[in-house]
Amino acid sequence: DSGVTQTPKHLITATGQRVTLRCSPRSGDLSVYWYQQSLDQGLQFLIQYYNGEERAKGNILERFSAQQFPDLHSELNLSSLELGDSALYFCASASPGQVFTDTQYFGPGTRLTVL
Amino acid sequence: DQQVKQNSPSLSVQEGRISILNCDYTNSMFDYFLWYKKYPAEGPTFLISISSIKDKNEDGRFTVFLNKSAKHLSLHIVPSQPGDSAVYFCAARGSTLGRLYFGRGTQLTVWP
Repeated sequence: DSGVTQTPKHLITATGQRVTLRCSPRSGDLSVYWYQQSLDQGLQFLIQYYNGEERAKGNILERFSAQQFPDLHSELNLSSLELGDSALYFCASASPGQVFTDTQYFGPGTRLTVL
Repeated sequence: DQQVKQNSPSLSVQEGRISILNCDYTNSMFDYFLWYKKYPAEGPTFLISISSIKDKNEDGRFTVFLNKSAKHLSLHIVPSQPGDSAVYFCAARGSTLGRLYFGRGTQLTVWP
Protein backbone atom coordinates (compact mmCIF):
# COMPACT_ATOMS: atom_id res chain seq x y z
CA ASP A 1 0.00 0.00 0.00
CA SER A 2 1.62 3.22 -1.22
CA GLY A 3 -0.57 5.46 0.94
CA VAL A 4 -2.02 7.17 -2.13
CA THR A 5 -5.75 6.62 -2.58
CA GLN A 6 -7.79 7.03 -5.73
CA THR A 7 -11.53 6.90 -6.23
CA PRO A 8 -13.41 5.48 -7.92
CA LYS A 9 -11.60 2.30 -8.85
CA HIS A 10 -13.70 1.78 -11.96
CA LEU A 11 -15.81 4.19 -13.96
CA ILE A 12 -18.00 3.43 -16.95
CA THR A 13 -19.61 6.27 -18.81
CA ALA A 14 -20.78 7.35 -22.25
CA THR A 15 -19.23 9.56 -24.88
CA GLY A 16 -19.84 13.24 -24.33
CA GLN A 17 -20.11 12.90 -20.57
CA ARG A 18 -17.98 14.45 -17.86
CA VAL A 19 -16.31 12.63 -14.96
CA THR A 20 -14.20 13.54 -11.96
CA LEU A 21 -11.41 11.38 -10.62
CA ARG A 22 -10.19 11.93 -7.10
CA CYS A 23 -6.78 11.44 -5.50
CA SER A 24 -5.57 11.74 -1.92
CA PRO A 25 -1.79 11.92 -1.61
CA ARG A 26 0.35 10.32 1.07
CA SER A 27 0.34 12.16 4.35
CA GLY A 28 2.82 15.01 4.15
CA ASP A 29 3.28 14.92 0.38
CA LEU A 30 2.77 18.25 -1.31
CA SER A 31 3.07 17.22 -4.95
CA VAL A 32 0.42 15.39 -6.94
CA TYR A 33 0.95 14.08 -10.44
CA TRP A 34 -1.61 12.69 -12.87
CA TYR A 35 -0.81 10.12 -15.53
CA GLN A 36 -2.76 8.35 -18.24
CA GLN A 37 -1.95 4.83 -19.35
CA SER A 38 -3.68 3.68 -22.52
CA LEU A 39 -3.29 0.27 -24.12
CA ASP A 40 0.26 -0.22 -25.43
CA GLN A 41 1.28 3.16 -24.13
CA GLY A 42 3.55 3.97 -21.28
CA LEU A 43 2.67 6.36 -18.54
CA GLN A 44 1.78 9.65 -20.15
CA PHE A 45 2.30 12.55 -17.80
CA LEU A 46 -0.67 14.88 -17.71
CA ILE A 47 -0.15 17.50 -15.03
CA GLN A 48 1.54 18.21 -11.69
CA TYR A 49 0.35 20.27 -8.75
CA TYR A 50 2.50 21.39 -5.85
CA ASN A 51 0.85 22.71 -2.71
CA GLY A 52 -2.21 23.85 -4.62
CA GLU A 53 -0.49 25.37 -7.62
CA GLU A 54 0.06 23.98 -11.08
CA ARG A 55 3.74 23.16 -11.44
CA ALA A 56 4.15 21.33 -14.73
CA LYS A 57 1.98 20.37 -17.67
CA GLY A 58 2.40 17.46 -20.00
CA ASN A 59 0.20 15.97 -22.69
CA ILE A 60 -3.06 17.09 -21.18
CA LEU A 61 -5.97 17.77 -23.50
CA GLU A 62 -7.92 21.00 -23.24
CA ARG A 63 -10.98 18.90 -22.35
CA PHE A 64 -9.16 17.82 -19.20
CA SER A 65 -8.49 19.94 -16.16
CA ALA A 66 -7.24 19.39 -12.65
CA GLN A 67 -6.91 21.15 -9.35
CA GLN A 68 -5.39 20.59 -5.94
CA PHE A 69 -7.37 21.69 -2.92
CA PRO A 70 -6.12 23.19 0.38
CA ASP A 71 -6.25 19.76 2.03
CA LEU A 72 -3.92 18.64 -0.79
CA HIS A 73 -6.29 16.18 -2.40
CA SER A 74 -6.58 16.55 -6.15
CA GLU A 75 -9.26 16.06 -8.76
CA LEU A 76 -8.91 15.39 -12.46
CA ASN A 77 -11.89 16.46 -14.52
CA LEU A 78 -12.45 14.90 -17.92
CA SER A 79 -15.18 16.37 -20.11
CA SER A 80 -16.70 15.74 -23.55
CA LEU A 81 -15.42 12.22 -23.22
CA GLU A 82 -14.41 10.27 -26.30
CA LEU A 83 -13.85 6.56 -26.80
CA GLY A 84 -10.10 7.20 -26.91
CA ASP A 85 -10.15 8.54 -23.37
CA SER A 86 -10.67 5.02 -22.07
CA ALA A 87 -7.55 4.32 -20.04
CA LEU A 88 -6.08 3.84 -16.62
CA TYR A 89 -5.56 7.11 -14.80
CA PHE A 90 -2.94 7.14 -12.08
CA CYS A 91 -2.23 9.68 -9.45
CA ALA A 92 1.15 9.86 -7.76
CA SER A 93 2.43 11.92 -4.89
CA ALA A 94 5.87 12.99 -3.79
CA SER A 95 7.41 15.05 -1.07
CA PRO A 96 10.09 17.63 -1.78
CA GLY A 97 12.91 15.80 -0.16
CA GLN A 98 16.54 16.22 -0.97
CA VAL A 99 17.42 17.34 -4.44
CA PHE A 100 17.37 14.38 -6.84
CA THR A 101 15.21 12.22 -4.61
CA ASP A 102 11.76 13.16 -5.82
CA THR A 103 10.49 9.60 -5.87
CA GLN A 104 6.84 9.35 -6.75
CA TYR A 105 4.41 6.96 -5.08
CA PHE A 106 1.48 5.79 -7.14
CA GLY A 107 -2.11 5.10 -6.28
CA PRO A 108 -3.93 2.00 -7.56
CA GLY A 109 -5.47 3.89 -10.47
CA THR A 110 -8.93 4.54 -11.84
CA ARG A 111 -9.98 2.52 -14.86
CA LEU A 112 -12.16 4.67 -17.09
CA THR A 113 -14.23 3.04 -19.79
CA VAL A 114 -16.04 5.26 -22.26
CA LEU A 115 -18.77 3.49 -24.24
CA ASP B 1 8.69 12.56 -28.41
CA GLN B 2 9.80 9.56 -26.39
CA GLN B 3 12.77 10.71 -24.37
CA VAL B 4 12.97 7.45 -22.45
CA LYS B 5 12.88 4.28 -24.49
CA GLN B 6 12.47 0.67 -23.55
CA ASN B 7 12.91 -1.12 -26.83
CA SER B 8 12.02 -4.58 -25.60
CA PRO B 9 8.31 -4.87 -24.86
CA SER B 10 8.79 -8.28 -23.30
CA LEU B 11 11.41 -10.53 -21.74
CA SER B 12 11.12 -14.15 -20.69
CA VAL B 13 13.61 -15.67 -18.24
CA GLN B 14 13.87 -18.93 -16.37
CA GLU B 15 13.69 -18.86 -12.59
CA GLY B 16 17.11 -18.52 -10.99
CA ARG B 17 18.70 -16.87 -14.00
CA ILE B 18 19.54 -13.22 -14.49
CA SER B 19 17.01 -10.80 -15.94
CA ILE B 20 18.41 -7.74 -17.70
CA LEU B 21 16.05 -4.95 -18.61
CA ASN B 22 17.36 -2.12 -20.72
CA CYS B 23 16.50 1.53 -21.07
CA ASP B 24 17.86 4.32 -23.27
CA TYR B 25 17.34 8.03 -22.95
CA THR B 26 17.96 11.00 -25.18
CA ASN B 27 17.91 14.04 -22.91
CA SER B 28 21.32 14.90 -21.48
CA MET B 29 19.58 16.99 -18.79
CA PHE B 30 18.39 13.83 -17.05
CA ASP B 31 20.33 13.25 -13.87
CA TYR B 32 18.20 10.86 -11.84
CA PHE B 33 16.80 7.56 -12.97
CA LEU B 34 14.26 5.21 -11.46
CA TRP B 35 12.77 1.81 -12.07
CA TYR B 36 9.19 1.03 -11.22
CA LYS B 37 7.46 -2.33 -11.15
CA LYS B 38 3.80 -2.76 -11.96
CA TYR B 39 1.53 -5.72 -11.36
CA PRO B 40 -1.85 -5.97 -13.11
CA ALA B 41 -4.62 -3.92 -11.50
CA GLU B 42 -2.13 -2.07 -9.29
CA GLY B 43 -0.25 1.19 -9.54
CA PRO B 44 3.49 1.23 -10.27
CA THR B 45 5.69 0.75 -7.23
CA PHE B 46 9.12 2.26 -6.83
CA LEU B 47 11.89 -0.30 -7.08
CA ILE B 48 15.32 1.29 -7.27
CA SER B 49 16.96 4.51 -8.40
CA ILE B 50 20.33 5.91 -9.34
CA SER B 51 21.79 9.38 -9.49
CA SER B 52 23.94 10.39 -12.42
CA ILE B 53 26.93 10.79 -10.11
CA LYS B 54 26.99 7.02 -9.72
CA ASP B 55 27.32 4.21 -12.22
CA LYS B 56 25.87 1.44 -10.09
CA ASN B 57 23.35 1.05 -7.31
CA GLU B 58 22.50 -2.22 -5.65
CA ASP B 59 19.59 -3.26 -3.47
CA GLY B 60 19.36 -6.93 -2.70
CA ARG B 61 18.67 -8.86 -5.89
CA PHE B 62 18.28 -5.64 -7.90
CA THR B 63 21.14 -3.67 -9.41
CA VAL B 64 20.87 -0.70 -11.70
CA PHE B 65 23.77 0.27 -13.95
CA LEU B 66 24.12 3.65 -15.60
CA ASN B 67 26.28 4.40 -18.62
CA LYS B 68 26.05 8.15 -19.08
CA SER B 69 28.18 8.32 -22.19
CA ALA B 70 25.88 5.86 -23.92
CA LYS B 71 22.75 7.31 -22.29
CA HIS B 72 21.84 3.81 -21.25
CA LEU B 73 20.77 2.15 -18.06
CA SER B 74 19.92 -1.39 -17.19
CA LEU B 75 18.24 -3.24 -14.36
CA HIS B 76 19.66 -6.60 -13.36
CA ILE B 77 17.64 -9.02 -11.27
CA VAL B 78 19.61 -11.93 -9.84
CA PRO B 79 18.32 -14.51 -9.23
CA SER B 80 15.00 -14.02 -10.98
CA GLN B 81 11.91 -15.34 -9.23
CA PRO B 82 8.38 -15.99 -10.54
CA GLY B 83 7.12 -13.18 -8.30
CA ASP B 84 9.25 -10.77 -10.31
CA SER B 85 6.90 -11.25 -13.27
CA ALA B 86 5.52 -7.77 -13.87
CA VAL B 87 5.86 -4.76 -16.14
CA TYR B 88 9.00 -2.73 -15.42
CA PHE B 89 9.06 0.97 -16.23
CA CYS B 90 12.19 3.01 -16.57
CA ALA B 91 11.86 6.69 -15.65
CA ALA B 92 14.14 9.70 -15.72
CA ARG B 93 14.12 13.26 -14.49
CA GLY B 94 16.31 16.30 -14.46
CA SER B 95 16.63 18.73 -11.57
CA THR B 96 15.35 21.57 -13.73
CA LEU B 97 12.69 19.56 -15.52
CA GLY B 98 10.46 18.88 -12.54
CA ARG B 99 8.75 15.77 -13.81
CA LEU B 100 9.41 12.15 -14.57
CA TYR B 101 9.61 10.82 -18.10
CA PHE B 102 8.60 7.19 -18.43
CA GLY B 103 9.40 4.51 -20.93
CA ARG B 104 6.65 2.27 -22.27
CA GLY B 105 7.59 -0.63 -20.06
CA THR B 106 8.93 -4.15 -20.45
CA GLN B 107 6.83 -7.15 -19.49
CA LEU B 108 9.08 -9.57 -17.59
CA THR B 109 7.94 -13.17 -17.31
CA VAL B 110 9.90 -15.49 -15.04
CA TRP B 111 9.01 -19.13 -15.59
CA PRO B 112 9.79 -22.04 -13.27
